[in-house]
Amino acid sequence: DTGVSQDPRHKITKRGQNVTFRCDPISEHNRLYWYRQTLGQGPEFLTYFQNEAQLEKSRLLSDRFSAERPKGSFSTLEIQRTEQGDSAMYLCASSRIENDEQFFGPGTRLTVL
Amino acid sequence: AQSVTQPDIHITVSEGASLELRCNYSYGATPYLFWYVQSPGQGLQLLLKYFSGDTLVQGIKGFEAEFKRSQSSFNLRKPSVHWSDAAEYFCAVALYSSASKIIFGSGTRLSIRP
Repeated sequence: DTGVSQDPRHKITKRGQNVTFRCDPISEHNRLYWYRQTLGQGPEFLTYFQNEAQLEKSRLLSDRFSAERPKGSFSTLEIQRTEQGDSAMYLCASSRIENDEQFFGPGTRLTVL
Repeated sequence: AQSVTQPDIHITVSEGASLELRCNYSYGATPYLFWYVQSPGQGLQLLLKYFSGDTLVQGIKGFEAEFKRSQSSFNLRKPSVHWSDAAEYFCAVALYSSASKIIFGSGTRLSIRP
């Protein structure tokens, strides 16, 4: 069990650029979650997958955001045409279906200039 | 709507003193409750969780929490804090419908006075 990993850990981009983040969950974890955390706030749920199926998306996830988990293992979160308001920490978590304790990765900190 | 309230934004306690962090939730049924800790540069780490049963829950690092249904509270306690406990603490509620998403409070930052 190597834990949840996320890449990159930090990303600085200019407004209007596209960015993509990767999350590798704990192996054999069927559920994968994405959260966003802004300064001084707790994480907010964005979306989650059960295996490769994306089962729920928050209203926070505008049409500029897309997430995939094509083979039911790693997941990517893409933000198109980034805006300064997208600056945040993006957290990934995973869990087993039969035990819903979620294990979090270290996060990707996005700064949009 | 479901919500989690952590009324204390920042708390400072002396090393060796006792600690209590407050958490109140708003939810129609008995929720699944968690406390997470987040240190700078670290991911969220689960301290403890309450699903059912004994309302006093023991966690890692000497922390415990008590679920009080009548007060809709799930306060975190530690009898004697250590300097390494300085971090951000988040109370959270899980909604075990189809999503299992977690709703977090806004956090309490704990500072330790030497």
